[in-house]
Amino acid sequence: AQKVTQAQTEISVVEKEDVTLDCVYETRDTTYYLFWYKQPPSGELVFLIRRNSFDEQNEISGRYSWNFQKSTSSFNFTITASQVVDSAVYFCALSEALKTSYDKVIFGPGTSLSVIP
Amino acid sequence: GAGVSQSPSNKVTEKGKDVELRCDPISGHTALYWYRQSLGQGLEFLIYFQGNSAPDKSGLPSDRFSAERTGGSVSTLTIQRTQQEDSAVYLCASSLGLGGFGSPLHFGNGTRLTVT
Repeated sequence: AQKVTQAQTEISVVEKEDVTLDCVYETRDTTYYLFWYKQPPSGELVFLIRRNSFDEQNEISGRYSWNFQKSTSSFNFTITASQVVDSAVYFCALSEALKTSYDKVIFGPGTSLSVIP
Repeated sequence: GAGVSQSPSNKVTEKGKDVELRCDPISGHTALYWYRQSLGQGLEFLIYFQGNSAPDKSGLPSDRFSAERTGGSVSTLTIQRTQQEDSAVYLCASSLGLGGFGSPLHFGNGTRLTVT
């Protein structure tokens, strides 16, 4: 069965610090997708990135970067030089490509990030 | 274009009453999801519709919860005989549902349900 673990419940950093949000997943499928979503205080969930199980290249988008390691079943998210606007709850999510439940997306419990000015 | 629309945005109901929550997905999206988010908690999967396939109801917490999707578009989540523990934000999301290709979800703003 699918499972996503985000061990960090809450993190506080001072502005301009780097911060890494951890995500560990479980799946029996060989084809799957991993996602990160952001939920700012306004409440609406916003998609950040998708990664498929066959692509282990790290990705960088501005101050955001993602490290996918199949060997440790992890998909960690790093924010460089954090800003107050990064304060939000961040969710890691997983979907499998099993024919019986493909595209079913399971979310981790989320990590609440507070960036202090 | 228009995003996922949910109504009502807020609903206050008395314990024991039935409620209906509506979700209007993005046009052309074949997959539709319902999640529940209790205060300060993560997203709890409830149900998932994919095209004309039978929905995945594995997340519905009890038989008081049901959902339907008419014409492959609008969906209604019904909670019968509401209980106080049903109080939460109910989130709807839709995606292109390309069949195992990990289409990103687009979320609505949610319906905040309060059971008194």
